[in-house]
Amino acid sequence: LAKTTQPISMDSYEGQEVNITCSHNNIATNDYITWYQQFPSQGPRFIIQGYKTKVTNEVASLFIPADRKSSTLSLPRVSLSDTAVYYCPRNTGGFKTIFGAGTRLFVKA
Amino acid sequence: ETGVTQTPRHLVMGMTNKKSLKCEQHLGHNAMYWYKQSAKKPLELMFVYNFKEQTENNSVPSRFSPECPNSSHLFLHLHTLQPEDSALYLCASSQGQGETDTQYFGPGTRLTVL
Repeated sequence: LAKTTQPISMDSYEGQEVNITCSHNNIATNDYITWYQQFPSQGPRFIIQGYKTKVTNEVASLFIPADRKSSTLSLPRVSLSDTAVYYCPRNTGGFKTIFGAGTRLFVKA
Repeated sequence: ETGVTQTPRHLVMGMTNKKSLKCEQHLGHNAMYWYKQSAKKPLELMFVYNFKEQTENNSVPSRFSPECPNSSHLFLHLHTLQPEDSALYLCASSQGQGETDTQYFGPGTRLTVL
């Protein structure tokens, strides 16, 4: 099963908005798009999920275009504690979630 | 967060030892998962159980033996492991229903095989 594609790493400064884009070229009609965050030596943590258009919660926003071939996770005003790896795994609709390498975000002071 | 707990948090074992990893979820979920995360590598799905029945075995070597006695508990029995099996082993759970199914992960067990 093909994985999703996202940048390997990104750098940012505190207080900036960070946008991480993921390609979902093999997304199926019923698949939802889910993003997770992982700190070192911890398990991934759910951030946000959506199907199309825009979803916002207290942590982030998720933008999904009409063709759903990509998604953009937007983190407003990042802080040092947002330094982590961010994943947009492929949800197959069953139980086989395919995690890629993720995007390593490094926030600098 | 204490929704999914894993014990032990750290484990060092020799190649001839037998040990077990334990996972418990307090979220009322029906599906449970084992993942392996080696250094600098993506998470690799190992096993999935739904309502205590194994639904996925991702070509995992037989030296890893899962057990799911009920929907709240999941074990991973280890025997005659190799040094390359050293990794962070993560347990997760989910409702197991529908396209919006979201996984909740435990803190992991850091395993070192000498």
